[in-house]
Amino acid sequence: SQELEQSPQSLIVQEGKNLTINCTSSKTLYGLYWYKQKYGEGLIFLMMLQKGGEEKSHEKITAKLDEKKQQSSLHITASQPSHAGIYLCGADFQGAQKLVFGQGTRLTINP
Amino acid sequence: DAGITQSPRHKVTETGTPVTLRCHQTENHRYMYWYRQDPGHGLRLIHYSYGVKDTDKGEVSDGYSVSRSKTEDFLLTLESATSSQTSVYFCAISDGTVSTEAFFGQGTRLTVV
Repeated sequence: SQELEQSPQSLIVQEGKNLTINCTSSKTLYGLYWYKQKYGEGLIFLMMLQKGGEEKSHEKITAKLDEKKQQSSLHITASQPSHAGIYLCGADFQGAQKLVFGQGTRLTINP
Repeated sequence: DAGITQSPRHKVTETGTPVTLRCHQTENHRYMYWYRQDPGHGLRLIHYSYGVKDTDKGEVSDGYSVSRSKTEDFLLTLESATSSQTSVYFCAISDGTVSTEAFFGQGTRLTVV
């Protein structure tokens, strides 16, 4: 979606390093979702953020929604090969459950 | 795992032929979605449904139609397939409750030759 821009589009990091993926919107978000997709498979839900300033963590993955609710960041600490895949942010702009997604970030973890 | 099934999982078809993809759910969720995934474009919304016989267009709806005659099934039809519709198609479902996620099917790989 043009309404959601992810950066970077591709990321290669060495195992054990930290990394951050950003998702920026031109409009206020009602809800921001992070999903992970392993190559050739379906999407796995990671977490959902709603409130400005909200931060959630799952294992070594932390996501935050900024105060203005127009940008979210996903941070992975001490990356592992299992973190490799495509990360997608999705959003509901209108509160009507019309879910749109960014173009994705392809993450590669080198041993 | 959420009960969502896409069929077929793989299909090869010729240009100009009609194609229907099916999404079936057993969760009784209100919302159902069809997306296509192409390299560099992430997931793009084709159509979505907010109830039986209630549908709306997404960002890439041209060349696609949908139908939802019952809660559990959401059909995506390509009236006359073109090579540009070669893609991986994903169905998703959501109950629409605040703070709950959408669940995705495993995808259908469609090749139009």
